[in-house]
Amino acid sequence: EAGVTQSPTHLIKTRGQQVTLRCSPISGHTSVYWYQQALGLGLQFLLWYDEGEERNRGNFPPRFSGRQFPNYSSELNVNALELEDSALYLCASSRRVGQDNEKLFFGSGTQLSVL
Amino acid sequence: KQEVTQIPAALSVPEGENLVLNCSFTDSAIYNLQWFRQDPGKGLTSLLLIQSSQREQTSGRLNASLDKSSGRSTLYIAASQPGDSATYLCAVRRNDMRFGAGTRLTVKP
Repeated sequence: EAGVTQSPTHLIKTRGQQVTLRCSPISGHTSVYWYQQALGLGLQFLLWYDEGEERNRGNFPPRFSGRQFPNYSSELNVNALELEDSALYLCASSRRVGQDNEKLFFGSGTQLSVL
Repeated sequence: KQEVTQIPAALSVPEGENLVLNCSFTDSAIYNLQWFRQDPGKGLTSLLLIQSSQREQTSGRLNASLDKSSGRSTLYIAASQPGDSATYLCAVRRNDMRFGAGTRLTVKP
């Protein structure tokens, strides 16, 4: 069974540009979570999608947005990139809250560098 | 708002020692708690998940306990090995999932 897959693995952008990161959850998982992990810092919660809807978002500006598609894959969009957006972006998936085996499974991440 | 704290931030031990990592959280209304391991520059690997109705879970040399009412969990690692060197994170789940900052463990040969 395939795990959570993220693309691309690495990305280099310049300030002011826009970027789209992609995530495919494990088959059968309906929830997708996005986290930002800046160098040396902990995981900061960005967004949670379930069944195609945004369920919660962390304390990030509106230029961070995303969506979840009918097949439960997800995109994270970041507009007007700033230097401090440089980080590892991690996607995770799980079954819906309340179901058995609600473990969160992570992808390997997208390393974004903003120059 | 859920706050998750992990102590210590870093730990260095000689090989073979037993050790305990601590995790505390402010809102006890959680569905479950999960411990992860992260190697540098990589994603997270799930170690153990404890449902809110459970007190502990064991996997090999790892044992995790949960005291929901006091907002605390511990991860016990027995007979540590150099391959255990990594950052260990705990996360609590209500609707979304919130993480602590992690404990960076170094096991010296």
